[in-house]
Amino acid sequence: AQSVAQPEDQVNVAEGNPLTVKCTYSVSGNPYLFWYVQYPNRGLQFLLKYITGDNLVKGSYGFEAEFNKSQTSFHLKKPSALVSDSALYFCAVRRATDKLIFGTGTRLQVFP
Amino acid sequence: EAGVTQSPTHLIKTRGQQVTLRCSPISGHTSVYWYQQALGLGLQFLLWYDEGEERNRGNFPPRFSGRQFPNYSSELNVNALELEDSALYLCASSLGGRTNEKLFFGSGTQLSVL
Repeated sequence: AQSVAQPEDQVNVAEGNPLTVKCTYSVSGNPYLFWYVQYPNRGLQFLLKYITGDNLVKGSYGFEAEFNKSQTSFHLKKPSALVSDSALYFCAVRRATDKLIFGTGTRLQVFP
Repeated sequence: EAGVTQSPTHLIKTRGQQVTLRCSPISGHTSVYWYQQALGLGLQFLLWYDEGEERNRGNFPPRFSGRQFPNYSSELNVNALELEDSALYLCASSLGGRTNEKLFFGSGTQLSVL
């Protein structure tokens, strides 16, 4: 079985400060890991993915995520948050031949 | 390039009724996914179709069903609607046969069951 957890329902950060949105997963074998973002009144958009190779992956809008196999984590990070980053963020995981499952989401609120 | 399109955008039904939601994937995409997004529950996986076949199914009762047509569009059918079926139903598509590909999502169908 596979599962993904986002332990924080909401993350608050001041504009200009670094942000981290946490994600941990459980899957047998090598995982494919993804981050998606859902802006208000808009559909989900792909941010970045880890398939193999370099543990640090860079994505859209200045976001990056680090794959940590020993901690089974894939935290999303950004060095300097913008108010426009405020949205709902979803982590997702799948095995190579399996369905893609999502976490429950973390609401990021960036304050001016 | 047209994105994933879903219809209708909104639906209001009553308990016990049946509903059909439709999804057209991005041209060239052969995989279609269906998710249910209910308040506070994140995205729950419903169904995955690829090349016309059902590849995987989530933990939903049999009254949730679907199919994929030869042109790769897809339908999600929900029979005997219950109040807790009220949710946003999202369809996504991706290049087929490659599970490391990103999904492209439609804007969803908001279903309200009264």
